[in-house]
Amino acid sequence: GDSVTQMEGPVTLSEEACLTINCTYTATGYPSLFWYVQYPGEGLQLLLKATKADDKGSNKGFEATYRKETTSFHLEKGSVQVSDSAVYFCALSDEGGSEKLVFGKGMKLTVNP
Amino acid sequence: GAVVSQHPSWVICKSGTSVKIECRSLDFQATTMFWYRQFPKQSLMLMATSNEGSKATYEQGVEKDKFLINHASLTLSTLTVTSAHPEDSSFYICSARDPGGPDNEQFFGPGTRLTVL
Repeated sequence: GDSVTQMEGPVTLSEEACLTINCTYTATGYPSLFWYVQYPGEGLQLLLKATKADDKGSNKGFEATYRKETTSFHLEKGSVQVSDSAVYFCALSDEGGSEKLVFGKGMKLTVNP
Repeated sequence: GAVVSQHPSWVICKSGTSVKIECRSLDFQATTMFWYRQFPKQSLMLMATSNEGSKATYEQGVEKDKFLINHASLTLSTLTVTSAHPEDSSFYICSARDPGGPDNEQFFGPGTRLTVL
């Protein structure tokens, strides 16, 4: 079945450091890919998404590019802030419209001042 | 974005009792809601898809008689863990799909921590 593999943390960075969270997937067909973020005490929120190969999703300074050739969707940010401290989940949907999401294990990021 | 609430946020119960968890969409009507379960350091696992006015669709391996789902209105779905046992202790998360939104996006509740003694 479909699956998502992502970096496991926890990861601690200093403010303004670069961030990359690796995510690879296994799926039949052409899934849509997502990054969700969960801030402390809150529900998961959609951070960004891409629905086809070579699409780039971006939001709040984060970016991820749908790479079909490497089945990857790595999350990147050039300069993290303390407010980026959260748990990040990579996910896919094989039906294109965020039905039946398959999640990675999540990675906790802590950014220190 | 749209808001989904869950109640309670945490619950502790004795083995053998039943526990009901509520999931509400606060500012939109959700014809479809999803229930997930998350173990420590594990990913969210979809348990079932809840459709308003019809029976829930359960994922393989999920006991429908143990995890009762009722989606009685367009803003409320409930998950009842019947005859709970310690192995049912977990973090339960619901989400609701906003059919009126631009991307058919799922919005997630903050989760309910269940501990069965």
